[in-house]
Amino acid sequence: SQQGEEDPQALSIQEGENATMNCSYKTSINNLQWYRQNSGRGLVHLILIRSNEREKHSGRLRVTLDTSKKSSSLLITASRAADTASYFCATRGGTYKYIFGTGTRLKVLA
Amino acid sequence: NAGVTQTPKFQVLKTGQSMTLQCAQDMNHNSMYWYRQDPGMGLRLIYYSASEGTTDKGEVPNGYNVSRLNKREFSLRLESAAPSQTSVYFCASSAAGARDNEQFFGPGTRLTVL
Repeated sequence: SQQGEEDPQALSIQEGENATMNCSYKTSINNLQWYRQNSGRGLVHLILIRSNEREKHSGRLRVTLDTSKKSSSLLITASRAADTASYFCATRGGTYKYIFGTGTRLKVLA
Repeated sequence: NAGVTQTPKFQVLKTGQSMTLQCAQDMNHNSMYWYRQDPGMGLRLIYYSASEGTTDKGEVPNGYNVSRLNKREFSLRLESAAPSQTSVYFCASSAAGARDNEQFFGPGTRLTVL
């Protein structure tokens, strides 16, 4: 399978804590994207980091990318109950195809 | 703007039946995609269409066919449904040309094959 892997598979934290999830991928990439999926819904794009970038911020989100290790991490700071969702990384190489990871299920307890 | 729409939302088929899943986008995107999502497997690409008039196989194309009817519409057909095709199907679209394009997803079709 070409799929990337996310770690952990599931994460449960208290509201206000930070959540960190990791993504590993297998091929060279142009960019890496993170998506959120609420239960029973489609995926929503969160943030994109290019292969020549090492870190990117967007609001409470911080993404890092290490191309030498073929890995990325997503940090959500000051988590809220509304952040409860599954999070997926997606990588794009030189084609139009995106390869998605297996996802991390995040549960934020109020 | 409706974004990406999919019909139907739910469908139950018997083994051997055929059906077509419909997808349309109103964002003038060139590229469209069909994925299936199974528990613990994330999303797997079935077929994609980089632009109107072209289609290509993804990771799991067996048992499926697609048609890029026009720029807006991309349909997925199951000719003879099998229980292994029980899944949630998502359509997505993205702009083309620039490399940094996010995908926009539809709400999904939940398909059960008995």
